[in-house]
Amino acid sequence: KNQVEQSPQSLIILEGKNCTLQCNYTVSPFSNLRWYKQDTGRGPVSLTIMTFSENTKSNGRYTATLDADTKQSSLHITASQLSDSASYICVVSQNYGGSQGNLIFGKGTKLSVKP
Amino acid sequence: DADVTQTPRNRITKTGKRIMLECSQTKGHDRMYWYRQDPGLGLRLIYYSFDVKDINKGEISDGYSVSRQAQAKFSLSLESAIPNQTALYFCATSDLPRDRRYNEQFFGPGTRLTVL
Repeated sequence: KNQVEQSPQSLIILEGKNCTLQCNYTVSPFSNLRWYKQDTGRGPVSLTIMTFSENTKSNGRYTATLDADTKQSSLHITASQLSDSASYICVVSQNYGGSQGNLIFGKGTKLSVKP
Repeated sequence: DADVTQTPRNRITKTGKRIMLECSQTKGHDRMYWYRQDPGLGLRLIYYSFDVKDINKGEISDGYSVSRQAQAKFSLSLESAIPNQTALYFCATSDLPRDRRYNEQFFGPGTRLTVL
């Protein structure tokens, strides 16, 4: 069964600290993996997209890694800020962009950054 | 993303009522999608459209219908709303990318629908 599992479900950290969110998937065939940030009451916003040939991709203080062999990804947030408080969603795409590109969404990790 | 707008942003209705949620985009994308999000669950695809004449069912289309009135507009209808359709609804758009490996979707701000 195609699944995307994220851990932890929720996380509380202090401002300025680093954290790492995990994503394991069993989606096949694999096309790409995305990390989205979703602020409360808002739509998801893309942070990174990686294909199987990409091991790491950065977007400012966000760095995503992908191990296509073990089917694991992580999102590392450096020097957290209060504005990083959000849900982070891991999404795996089954097909290339020529078709609908079936997306399998994880349930998200809810991150709270405290002052 | 301000280029994808949804109306209304919040709606409370009663069981059995017909409801329409609207989505408009100025990104010039051909592809549009409707998702719902429930607490503790990932987003689930309801319907998608690749162009004006194209409508496709997603994972959870029962109880919903859609209309693609123009490239920029995609509406979701609940013909007879029921309480378990209470959820956050998102519209999204995408384009056929130059690199087909990167089929990024851009989401609207969401519509919070409550069915009493």
